[in-house]
Amino acid sequence: SYELTQPPSVSVSPGQTARITCSGDALPKQYAYWYQQKPGQAPVLVIYKDSERPSGIPERFSGSSSGTTVTLTISGVQAEDEADYYCQSADSSGTSVVFGGGTKLTVL
Amino acid sequence: QITLKESGPTLVKPTQTLTLTCTFSGFSLSTSGVGVGWIRQPPGKALEWLALIYWNDDKRYSPSLKSRLTITKDTSKNQVVLTMTNMDPVDTATYYCAHGVLVVVAAHFDYWGQGTLVTVSS
Repeated sequence: SYELTQPPSVSVSPGQTARITCSGDALPKQYAYWYQQKPGQAPVLVIYKDSERPSGIPERFSGSSSGTTVTLTISGVQAEDEADYYCQSADSSGTSVVFGGGTKLTVL
Repeated sequence: QITLKESGPTLVKPTQTLTLTCTFSGFSLSTSGVGVGWIRQPPGKALEWLALIYWNDDKRYSPSLKSRLTITKDTSKNQVVLTMTNMDPVDTATYYCAHGVLVVVAAHFDYWGQGTLVTVSS
């Protein structure tokens, strides 16, 4: 079955830039989405259609796509950004929804 | 304002069938491009997509769980029901329902319920 691959963890100091990658063979054909999940809470959509930001999401969150890899970038990381981040997309036919394994962002 | 809430048993025995209901407001499941999905998360683990039903009754299932899942909708009641058969302790997880938006050929989820923890144990 189709998989999306994320690094298990990323660490950055406050004010630095965090980059979280997600790789998958179908990403050139399918949009990617990013969710932020804090402990005990439901996921929140932070990026849709590779690089669009929903209303209410801070401008420091951005997304990009290049070939089989998409990247979530958080500029000027704040302590409140510490969370798990999941990418989501679909298989090449669009039949199945797929989530990546998640990346734990630690703000040092 | 879109809201979703999951309901169902918190404890099920192995081999039993789990039935979860998602009750939503703020949107209609008869609107083109709209869907409701189910996603679960075992304690300390990643999100896993389970199933999705669209406004036109198109149903999608996780390939690895397809034989055990059934998703249905009741548009008049604003509810979506997920059943999962032959429950096992590895199915212990928080189960979420979410508002789905179809973009081109696939969906994403922009509003989520609070989730409900289901424990499978004898």
